[in-house]
Amino acid sequence: DIVMTQTPLSSPVTLGQPASISCRSSQSLVHSDGNTYLSWLQQRPGQPPRLLIYKISNRLSGVPDRFSGSGAGTDFTLKISRVEAEDVGVYYCMQATQFPRTFGQGTKVEIK
Amino acid sequence: EVQLVESGGGLVQPGGSLRLSCAASGFTFSSYEMNWVRQAPGKGLEWVSYISSSGSSIYYADSVKGRFTLSRDNANNSLYLLMNSLRVEDSAVYYCVRSTRSSFWGQGTLVTVSS
Repeated sequence: DIVMTQTPLSSPVTLGQPASISCRSSQSLVHSDGNTYLSWLQQRPGQPPRLLIYKISNRLSGVPDRFSGSGAGTDFTLKISRVEAEDVGVYYCMQATQFPRTFGQGTKVEIK
Repeated sequence: EVQLVESGGGLVQPGGSLRLSCAASGFTFSSYEMNWVRQAPGKGLEWVSYISSSGSSIYYADSVKGRFTLSRDNANNSLYLLMNSLRVEDSAVYYCVRSTRSSFWGQGTLVTVSS
């Protein structure tokens, strides 16, 4: 199974300041079709997860452009350029290159 | 508007069974792979099972293999998860998820396994 490791697990951030979350996979997420199926999900308190970014860096329609994804192979990063109050929640990376699909442990973003 | 509405959760004793349903609308259900992902209270996300758009390919997490059965009815835009031999550790919110590669999540249904 591919193990997804996120750091940090907790990220207290001042409003308006940037935040960055790292996700590392135990093996390459490059699929045989050439795509890298690494997604970022946001889960606000009391809500189901929602997709923010897919295939490393593709932002879903309606997701604010302060969210960006980058990386390749086994190392990936989600960045929030300026954290807003509505960004509070837990962020997960997820790989859909291989079965079983696996998730990172989650990173809790909170306001200082 | 894309919608996934889960139902069928509830309280069941260890060793019991439940059947979860997911009603899909707002998109061409038969064109999409579907999944179940669960989240135990206060914990992270765990993928449970996958079914291809036609239903010809099905995968399960090792933790549920042999106990859970995933199926779909494309004519009625519905996904089903039959859960047998339930264990306390199966207690979780179960989410119906359209495609794990560009995912859309339902609101979830709570399953509690307890005596």
